[in-house]
Amino acid sequence: DIVMTQSPDSLAVSLGERATINCKSSQNLLYSYNNMNYLAWYQQKPGQPPKLLIYWASIRDSGVPDRFSGSGSGTDFTLTISSLQAEDAAVYYCHQYYTSPLAFGQGTRLEIE
Amino acid sequence: QITLKESGPTLVKPTQTLTLTCSFSGFSLNTSGVQVGWIRQPPGQALEWVAFISGNDDKHYGPSLRNRLAITKDTLKNQVVLTMANMDPVDTATYYCAHRAQLSGDWYPFDYWGQGTLVTVSS
Repeated sequence: DIVMTQSPDSLAVSLGERATINCKSSQNLLYSYNNMNYLAWYQQKPGQPPKLLIYWASIRDSGVPDRFSGSGSGTDFTLTISSLQAEDAAVYYCHQYYTSPLAFGQGTRLEIE
Repeated sequence: QITLKESGPTLVKPTQTLTLTCSFSGFSLNTSGVQVGWIRQPPGQALEWVAFISGNDDKHYGPSLRNRLAITKDTLKNQVVLTMANMDPVDTATYYCAHRAQLSGDWYPFDYWGQGTLVTVSS
């Protein structure tokens, strides 16, 4: 089974600064058939369901601000928020949808400093 | 517009069987290229994928829960039902159902989620 490990568990960043969250998969998420990485990022705020931000490791979902970007391939991935806004305070999860059993990372709590 | 909504008991006793229903609209679960999944989240903890069912009735379960789970669909009612046997206090969590689709042969991640329902297991 694929295990997803995020780092750090939490971080505090000042408004307007860059935030970086890492995600490591125990197995390769790059499918050679279509050259796509089956890695997604979600944002979750208190009392709300997760919101899809990024899929295929780097494609922003509709309506997601362009300050959110995803990168990486294979087993190592990064979510970057280029200029932190107050509304970005949340918990962020990476998620592998390459194969069953599906898996999520343990989450990274992002706070505004 | 795709929407999903979870329903079921808010409190169950240990050893009881939990039955949750996901009622959805905006899509049909009668083709192989659509899935409805369940994901749970204990209070203050991370997301855990539980199960999913495809439109062709293919079913997958999380390995730690497999022996206790059953997932079914009713395409006429646009519902997916999850049953979890032998509930324990550690199963206390918010249970979400979510939609997933396959486009041009590629599966996408869960894109639409219900608001979730909190299930507490306590005597």
